[in-house]
Amino acid sequence: KAGVTQTPRYLIKTRGQQVTLSCSPISGHRSVSWYQQTPGQGLQFLFEYFSETQRNKGNFPGRFSGRQFSNSRSEMNVSTLELGDSALYLCASRRDQNYEQYFGPGTRLTVT
Amino acid sequence: GNSVTQMEGPVTLSEEAFLTINCTYTATGYPSLFWYVQYPGEGLQLLLKATKADDKGSNKGFEATYRKETTSFHLEKGSVQVSDSAVYFCALSRDTGNQFYFGTGTSLTVIP
Repeated sequence: KAGVTQTPRYLIKTRGQQVTLSCSPISGHRSVSWYQQTPGQGLQFLFEYFSETQRNKGNFPGRFSGRQFSNSRSEMNVSTLELGDSALYLCASRRDQNYEQYFGPGTRLTVT
Repeated sequence: GNSVTQMEGPVTLSEEAFLTINCTYTATGYPSLFWYVQYPGEGLQLLLKATKADDKGSNKGFEATYRKETTSFHLEKGSVQVSDSAVYFCALSRDTGNQFYFGTGTSLTVIP
């Protein structure tokens, strides 16, 4: 069974631009969560989508948004990029609550 | 609120040495506790978990016991191998399983 895939794997953007990251969950998984990983802050929860609805949200500004499609694929968008948005963005999927999360390899975003 | 604190790294050990990585938590309700491992260039993988007090999670020679009285979930392994070199994350999820809270990660390097 294919794992969680994330595209692109690496991205370089300039301050002020916007970016869209994509995540394809494991087949049959309806929940997709997004995390930001930085050396200083560690792993921080951004949001979770389930059946195309945002079910949970972390403490990030409104510049960070997401959506989920009917096939459970999810996208995350960051607008007006700041230098501090440079991070590894991880996506995780699971069947539903109380099931194990499976993580993708991440998208490395660098903002210059 | 909910949070996880784990020991700072990096940790360097010789092969066959004993490993302990400390993890303490703050949580409301009755959280589930997890250890995840991240190998270079990969996403996180679930290593072990415990869902209630006094439970012991174990996998691949690693163990951790859910200690409610000390709010701890320390990771241990009796004899580490070079292949155990990775970053280890302690995490908790609230009893609803909706949101995960991660520690900052502890980098382990095992030298032959």
